[in-house]
Amino acid sequence: EGQLVESGGGLVQPGGSLRLSCAASKFTFSAYWMTWVRQSPGRGLEWVAYIKGDGSDKHYVDSVKGRFIISRDNAKNSVYLQMNSLRAEDTAVYYCARLHIWENSSRYRCFDVWGQGTRVTVSS
Amino acid sequence: DIVMTQSPDSLAVSLGERATINCKSSQSVFYRTNKKNYLGWYQQKPGQPPKLLIYWASTRDSGVPDRFSGSGSGTDFTLTISSLQAEDVGVYYCHQYYDNPTFGQGTKLEIK
Repeated sequence: EGQLVESGGGLVQPGGSLRLSCAASKFTFSAYWMTWVRQSPGRGLEWVAYIKGDGSDKHYVDSVKGRFIISRDNAKNSVYLQMNSLRAEDTAVYYCARLHIWENSSRYRCFDVWGQGTRVTVSS
Repeated sequence: DIVMTQSPDSLAVSLGERATINCKSSQSVFYRTNKKNYLGWYQQKPGQPPKLLIYWASTRDSGVPDRFSGSGSGTDFTLTISSLQAEDVGVYYCHQYYDNPTFGQGTKLEIK
């Protein structure tokens, strides 16, 4: 089935940095694209970034390009989101999720396993 | 970006009755090569992450009750709950994965 557990959220000042982690278990982590999705009252559900199973391909929503970096360590079954130059509008619950495999692994898939989320608040 | 628009924003349905939620995409999410609609539906309950219900517009995920069904193609899609149960209360989202992913704004489903 798969399990995902996020950590690293918290309160940070505008312009600050934060690193989110997501620990995966109960599935072959390296075979899957992984993604970060955030949710806030003002912006709803918003896809943030995703990364291929071997880490060789990454994509970001325009609003975080140049500020956020997604990475993974398959030896540790973990995916990360380094968030720099944080803004008030980055305040949200951040979810880690797995992309569904159907016939093959691709970034053009729905998200079939989600973590419980970690809250990020950007405020002075 | 592909914009996803759901209707209605909220819905109250009696137990045992049918609930219908609509989702419209600003451009087609149908891929001719494999004849798939790149559209999913999720259910979210308070304090929980979204849960995948439907993918490829009409395929139920493992363990999802058969009272949930998805239909539609191209730009217009529907999620139907055939006989509403108390545990179906929550917010429902559509999601396109044809391009960089985007979600609908959500439809809040309540018991009448």
